[in-house]
Order: sequence, then structure tokens, then C-alpha cells
Amino acid sequence: QQPVQSPQAVILREGEDAVINCSSSKALYSVHWYRQKHGEAPVFLMILLKGGEQKGHEKISASFNEKKQQSSLYLTASQLSYSGTYFCGTDYSGGGADGLTFGKGTHLIIQP
Amino acid sequence: SAVISQKPSRDICQRGTSLTIQCQVDSQVTMMFWYRQQPGQSLTLIATANQGSEATYESGFVIDKFPISRPNLTFSTLTVSNMSPEDSSIYLCSVDVGTGSYEQYFGPGTRLTVT
Repeated sequence: QQPVQSPQAVILREGEDAVINCSSSKALYSVHWYRQKHGEAPVFLMILLKGGEQKGHEKISASFNEKKQQSSLYLTASQLSYSGTYFCGTDYSGGGADGLTFGKGTHLIIQP
Repeated sequence: SAVISQKPSRDICQRGTSLTIQCQVDSQVTMMFWYRQQPGQSLTLIATANQGSEATYESGFVIDKFPISRPNLTFSTLTVSNMSPEDSSIYLCSVDVGTGSYEQYFGPGTRLTVT
């Protein structure tokens, strides 16, 4: 069951903040966040595990709300390099044996 | 993480022919996955390839169309058989690095155009 990402697209000025959400109607084991630039492969950002802590590095962090079955990706003080399409990938069973089900993506454009 | 390579990086093929895509990893991994990404779309899981067992296919994907081999812990192939223009996509392999972190990393992809 495909997770729902929102918003579909965001246009920001450099330095502004963004939040991207990923919701599932089915209980999640983990949520994986990726960024993909045009013509390139998706790049792993972070993974949120059920029962785990909020994660982050530099100005990108994420949280996982088990009650809502939702994860949010936070981009603070955005930089031009943050532009791209962000995908959440969901795992419903855990154990690393399953591939991921991806949302439709959120297009992020950072303008100078 | 892991260093993953794919061959070919791109190809243009005639309809009715087959193409085999190779995925090579620089370390031994248990789980490898094959995805398809149609132009401007999200990623869709084709199958899971576990060394030593038959690949597991997702709904809508069949072994006759997308046969997969996984001869060892660092290598896998995906064949796109009897191609049609609808098979034009980017095909990506990914691996679970198997450190217990469940992180999955993608190869650079193979861009396939069927004419």
C-alpha cells in the first residue's frame, strides 16, 4: 500500500524551512528517506525505525509518529543543494528482507 | 554504505529483444532488490533477490518477463525479456548493507529505451 506524501511540491527561498510528510494507512516498521536529483539515483538520507528516536544530521532531521503512522522530514535553513525530489520508502515487516514501498515524491525547489 | 555499480548505464533496444542488466556490489550482501522508475514517477519494487533462493516477485511482475539471477553475495542480474516500449524505464538495484541498520542503498541505474 503506497504511502502518501505531502506536499507534492514546494518552492522555497534559500534559508527557509520545509517539512515533508509521509503517511501510511498500514502499520509501519520503518520509514526510509531519499533525495533524488534529476538524472541521478536516489541518495539515502536516513531511516526511522519503529520505536526509535528522532534522527538528524546537520540541518536535515526526521521524526516517526507511531500513533499516526506518519513520518516527517525537516529541512532547516535550506540550501540550493537541497533541491530535488524527496521520496519516503516504507517497510511494513522489518528484518531487512523486504524491499520498500515508495510514495510519489515531493519536488523541492530552492531559489537563491 | 556500499559501492554499487550497474551495467549498462543506458541502452536503446528494439522491441521483442531482451536486455540483461548487471548489478555488482563491493561487499557481500544478503538482500538485493530490483526497482523500476518510469519517467517522472516514483520507484516500484520488481523483486527481491536473496542469494541461494528463488527471487520473490511483486504483484504485477512475473519471472518470465523479468528473470533474475543471484549467483553469489556480490552480484545479481535482471533480464527484461521480449521488450516493448512500455518497458522504457530506469532500472535500479539496491542492497541492504546487512549491518542490522536496515539501510538500503541504490546503484546508479540503467536507463532503458525501447523503440
